[in-house]
Amino acid sequence: GENVEQHPSTLSVQEGDSAVIKCTYSDSASNYFPWYKQELGKGPQLIIDIRSNVGEKKDQRIAVTLNKTAKHFSLHITETQPEDSAVYFCAASIKGNFGNEKLTFGTGTRLTIIP
Amino acid sequence: NAGVTQTPKFQVLKTGQSMTLQCAQDMNHNSMYWYRQDPGMGLRLIYYSASEGTTDKGEVPNGYNVSRLNKREFSLRLESAAPSQTSVYFCASSEQESQPQHFGDGTRLSIL
Repeated sequence: GENVEQHPSTLSVQEGDSAVIKCTYSDSASNYFPWYKQELGKGPQLIIDIRSNVGEKKDQRIAVTLNKTAKHFSLHITETQPEDSAVYFCAASIKGNFGNEKLTFGTGTRLTIIP
Repeated sequence: NAGVTQTPKFQVLKTGQSMTLQCAQDMNHNSMYWYRQDPGMGLRLIYYSASEGTTDKGEVPNGYNVSRLNKREFSLRLESAAPSQTSVYFCASSEQESQPQHFGDGTRLSIL
């Protein structure tokens, strides 16, 4: 099955600097790659996603890049703010044996923004 | 907008007790999912329902059962709780498979 590895597990950056979180996946048939942000005591919230026919997608200070050849994708947050502090999860979607799509999640990155 | 609502938010059980976790969504989504989240392991899929009337096993189904009661509701049952099932359980829904999933705020379950 699909395996998703996420690095780093913890990341501290100065407010205003950029943060980058990287994920690799194992199955070349994966075609959908969402990123989720989870604040303490809350459920994960989708912040951006990308499909395999696109190499990059931006939404204000957040961007995701996808390299299908190398099977990795990254989350970029620019001009970081204290409210960006949270745990971030990447995921990859793969069709199962009966055509059903399932998400496999990375193990998460705890991002801390230092004021 | 309520989105995905999970009940209860917290629960403590004794080993061997049974319990049903409830999940309801008001977005008219077809697909619903149950995950568990353990420290350092991300979210792991327990069961999912691609559409009303269907359910399928995920990565870690042992010890659990599910019921897709109707399009809105998807429940998770622990028949005989074990300490290894201590976790935070999240329900999610999506319009279709491979579409963005929307999560509830979780049920924190402790089994003594």
